[in-house]
Amino acid sequence: DIQMTQSPSSLSASVGDRVTITCRASQSIATYLNWYQHKPGKAPQVLIYHSSTLQSGAPSRFSGSVSGPDFTLTISSLQPEDFATYYCQQTYRTPITFGQGTRLDIK
Amino acid sequence: QVQLVQSGAEVKKPGASVKVSCKASGYTFIDYYIHWVRQAPGQGLEWLGWISPNNGATIYEQKFQGRVTMSRDTSISTAYMELSKLRSDDTAIYYCARSRVGTGYNNDYWGQGTLVTVSS
Repeated sequence: DIQMTQSPSSLSASVGDRVTITCRASQSIATYLNWYQHKPGKAPQVLIYHSSTLQSGAPSRFSGSVSGPDFTLTISSLQPEDFATYYCQQTYRTPITFGQGTRLDIK
Repeated sequence: QVQLVQSGAEVKKPGASVKVSCKASGYTFIDYYIHWVRQAPGQGLEWLGWISPNNGATIYEQKFQGRVTMSRDTSISTAYMELSKLRSDDTAIYYCARSRVGTGYNNDYWGQGTLVTVSS
């Protein structure tokens, strides 16, 4: 199975901050990496797919990139509604696997 | 608009089975896989498998092999996930989600989630 290692596991930040979350796969996944936002009591929502493509309807402050083995989700300027848990997901090969999540809290 | 609507919360005893439904609307049901993902209390997202509504083909996470069965009824655009031999650590919110057929696609629409509680 492909293991996804996400960091950090938690993060405290303030409104307006720039935030980055990283995910690394245990083997090559090409660019088949997606990012989801998950809020309590709601279903996850895809923000970025294929590493760097912004999902229709997702705010433009979210962006994704890849450098070598590392995939990064960046929020350029945190908004109050962005405090949530974020997950990476590889869909290169089954079983599909998620990172362990990054909980983003208000500082 | 695309919607996935799941059945309601369930409470089951250890050893029992549960069957959760996921009714799709707003798109052509057979053109997208239906995935099942769960989140146990305080834990992350865990993928259980997918079913192709077109031909009924399934892929299951090996951890659930022998306990999970995914099925569909194309006449009513509904997918099902049945989990048997329930244990307390199967207590979780179970989500269905769709993706395009093939490799590498994301889950762009999700159901609202179904809470399954396993307790004696």
